[in-house]
Amino acid sequence: GAGVSQSPSNKVTEKGKDVELRCDPISGHTALYWYRQSLGQGLEFLIYFQGNSAPDKSGLPSDRFSAERTGGSVSTLTIQRTQQEDSAVYLCASTTPPSGYTFGSGTRLTVV
Amino acid sequence: GENVEQHPSTLSVQEGDSAVIKCTYSDSASNYFPWYKQELGKGPQLIIDIRSNVGEKKDQRIAVTLNKTAKHFSLHITETQPEDSAVYFCAAKPPNSGYALNFGKGTSLLVTP
Repeated sequence: GAGVSQSPSNKVTEKGKDVELRCDPISGHTALYWYRQSLGQGLEFLIYFQGNSAPDKSGLPSDRFSAERTGGSVSTLTIQRTQQEDSAVYLCASTTPPSGYTFGSGTRLTVV
Repeated sequence: GENVEQHPSTLSVQEGDSAVIKCTYSDSASNYFPWYKQELGKGPQLIIDIRSNVGEKKDQRIAVTLNKTAKHFSLHITETQPEDSAVYFCAAKPPNSGYALNFGKGTSLLVTP
């Protein structure tokens, strides 16, 4: 596609439920990144993929967070047993290094 | 790990004036420094970037300067326009990070007519 597409754009979920966030990167981009943006804060790195493998998972906040990427394309970020502190905008970006990132518009997650 | 500090957190200028946002980084081996503009409800958009082998880069009204010795870099916007109003983020890439970036906390720029 023309840009990075994320879905859903908004998600409200009850505490304790699982959620899946989807990212469709720009076609052909080899690297994909997930960041979290809390209200008024900068971007917190979560995980990145080179192809389908994730060399660096160090940013995942807890073992309730996981991510996968299939076919070198679509990625899914899963949050299990959601907590209120998980409420944030989850941003996905893709690139073929050394070019700069292209970000999607994000998924706004609200845990009630 | 890399730590990026960004100042000021908010900046208000009159249309036509210049705006300067400054960032410092901690890892002297960082080698790539992009700037992003984020408008309300949208993802950050890359507006300019600089690599460690260059001291300055300019693109129309936007310029970035890098001082590797002092470990700081700055964004300069000249002849500001109301549509420049947004949140601006700086970032730094440490080596061997797979292009994962460390971001500053952002500067909210308001350009008043």
